[in-house]
Amino acid sequence: GDSVTQTEGQVALSEEDFLTIHCNYSASGYPALFWYVQYPGEGPQFLFRASRDKEKGSSRGFEATYDKGTTSFHLRKASVQESDSAVYYCALGPSNMGYKLTFGTGTSLLVDP
Amino acid sequence: EAAVTQSPRSKVAVTGGKVTLSCHQTNNHDYMYWYRQDTGHGLRLIHYSYVADSTEKGDIPDGYKASRPSQENFSLILELASLSQTAVYFCASRDNNNQAPLFGEGTRLSVL
Repeated sequence: GDSVTQTEGQVALSEEDFLTIHCNYSASGYPALFWYVQYPGEGPQFLFRASRDKEKGSSRGFEATYDKGTTSFHLRKASVQESDSAVYYCALGPSNMGYKLTFGTGTSLLVDP
Repeated sequence: EAAVTQSPRSKVAVTGGKVTLSCHQTNNHDYMYWYRQDTGHGLRLIHYSYVADSTEKGDIPDGYKASRPSQENFSLILELASLSQTAVYFCASRDNNNQAPLFGEGTRLSVL
């Protein structure tokens, strides 16, 4: 079945560092790919999505590019802030925009001021 | 503004007791979902619904029932709560424009 792998369970950075959170997927066809952010005590919030090869999604300074060749959708930000400390989830939806998303296990980002 | 409201926000239940978690959306969305969040597992789909009076099983439905009496309301029912069902539960409705689930604030359930 479809699956999403986030290899980093935790990432620790300092303010203004460059961020990369890796996301790789396994699915047939062209699934839609999503990034969510979750702050403590809140529900996950939608950041952005991409649905075709080479498409870039972006929001709030974060971006990711759909790469079918490497089956990846890595999250990047050029300069992180303390307020970016949160858990980030990569998710996958079927290409026919069916009923559900499959989420990765999440990456906890901690940014020191 | 699109909103998904869950109640209660937290609950303590006894093993073997019945628990009902409620969700209300004002978004006019067709699809609604119940997810469970556990450390190390991310978010896993329990049940979902795409129309009132109909529910479907997700990936981990055992021990849970769901009810969708109207487009706006979607409940998750634990008939016989167990220790293993201690978790945070999230309800979501799906945005018709970007197909992305819009999540509520979550319900923290502790089964003792």
